[in-house]
Amino acid sequence: DTAVSQTPKYLVTQMGNDKSIKCEQNLGHDTMYWYKQDSKKFLKIMFSYNNKELIINETVPNRFSPKSPDKAHLNLHINSLELGDSAVYFCASSRDTSGREEQFFGPGTRLTVL
Amino acid sequence: AQTVTQSQPEMSVQEAETVTLSCTYDTSESDYYLFWYKQPPSRQMILVIRQEAYKQQNATENRFSVNFQKAAKSFSLKISDSQLGDAAMYFCAYRSAYLADYQLIWGAGTKLIIKP
Repeated sequence: DTAVSQTPKYLVTQMGNDKSIKCEQNLGHDTMYWYKQDSKKFLKIMFSYNNKELIINETVPNRFSPKSPDKAHLNLHINSLELGDSAVYFCASSRDTSGREEQFFGPGTRLTVL
Repeated sequence: AQTVTQSQPEMSVQEAETVTLSCTYDTSESDYYLFWYKQPPSRQMILVIRQEAYKQQNATENRFSVNFQKAAKSFSLKISDSQLGDAAMYFCAYRSAYLADYQLIWGAGTKLIIKP
């Protein structure tokens, strides 16, 4: 029944490693997002995809690469992890890109880089 | 560029009482949407309430209501009969009605503490 799911929920890894976070939504939505929430709880949009096409790509290091194999999935791959990448990463989806649509969030993935 | 400001980093209220969280925003647009999201300790972000700027009537969802003052660019959230389960971070967010602007613009959040 989970609307937006992310795996894993917790990820602890060493600096320099490469890791991926997976996101899936079963709501039939066209649009998906990745957000980063830092230790001060500030939410920052990273990427947005609409119908598998990239529509928002904020100023994010190119070590971060989103991949959308289909409308229901938006995965985030991170190369050469750095200490500053430690944060909670949220995936979200919305019916479309129109302004009034609610965004549904996943449970978040807490990434800790040691 | 649009900005959203939540000037209260933390608020506390006695259980069963009423609390108001403030949010102001800056925009030159006339048509937009405003949201309040709640993030409890479980981390799950949940939509609390939504307001369309073209609607004069304030949105209400059970114990949650907003005071939308378009001219003042203010969008406060009132929680009546506060319950322990209301304890969470509350985020105010703005979204343009124009299709070219896809992003939600987020405030910094207000941590709400409920005292039993």
